[in-house]
Amino acid sequence: AQSVTQPDIHITVSEGASLELRCNYSYGATPYLFWYVQSPGQGLQLLLKYFSGDTLVQGIKGFEAEFKRSQSSFNLRKPSVHWSDAAEYFCAVAGAGAGSYQLTFGKGTKLSVIP
Amino acid sequence: SQTIHQWPATLVQPVGSPLSLECTVEGTSNPNLYWYRQAAGRGLQLLFYSVGIGQISSEVPQNLSASRPQDRQFILSSKKLLLSDSGFYLCAWGGTGDTDTQYFGPGTRLTVL
Repeated sequence: AQSVTQPDIHITVSEGASLELRCNYSYGATPYLFWYVQSPGQGLQLLLKYFSGDTLVQGIKGFEAEFKRSQSSFNLRKPSVHWSDAAEYFCAVAGAGAGSYQLTFGKGTKLSVIP
Repeated sequence: SQTIHQWPATLVQPVGSPLSLECTVEGTSNPNLYWYRQAAGRGLQLLFYSVGIGQISSEVPQNLSASRPQDRQFILSSKKLLLSDSGFYLCAWGGTGDTDTQYFGPGTRLTVL
């Protein structure tokens, strides 16, 4: 069974600083990997996804993530954080189910941004 | 473009009362549909998924049930709510290709008192 670990429960950065959120996965085959963002009381918004090909993927809002098979990681990065990036971030891996792909989520990393 | 709706947005119910949460999708046909529950500090837990009308798979034994009476409608129900059913319930839809991506609705905050 697949699993996802987000080692950091809470991260605080200053506005304008760079950001890296860590994600490690466990999956027997080539994984489909996702990053979602959730603002308080809202649903999840897809930031980016990796299926195959280039291991550096670009997403919305200036985010990018790099797939490293040797490290089983899919870390999310942003070169300069904005106050509006404060939210909770979830990494997920998809595994094949009966006719559908089921997501397994990490427990999330809450990002706080200091003005 | 595709849109996903959930209602109600918030709900406060007494223990032992019934529950019905509704999710509808617009702009796509024959989507895969999912119900998740999000409890504080515990991430998202997949409860049910459906690959077609009347086809429901349960991931977690509980006092909840799901139904899909129409192609783009997914309902989460309970006959008698427990305190432990409190949480944030999210519906999601996904495509049916090999690279399924799930898109989430706005969620329903359920408080059981």
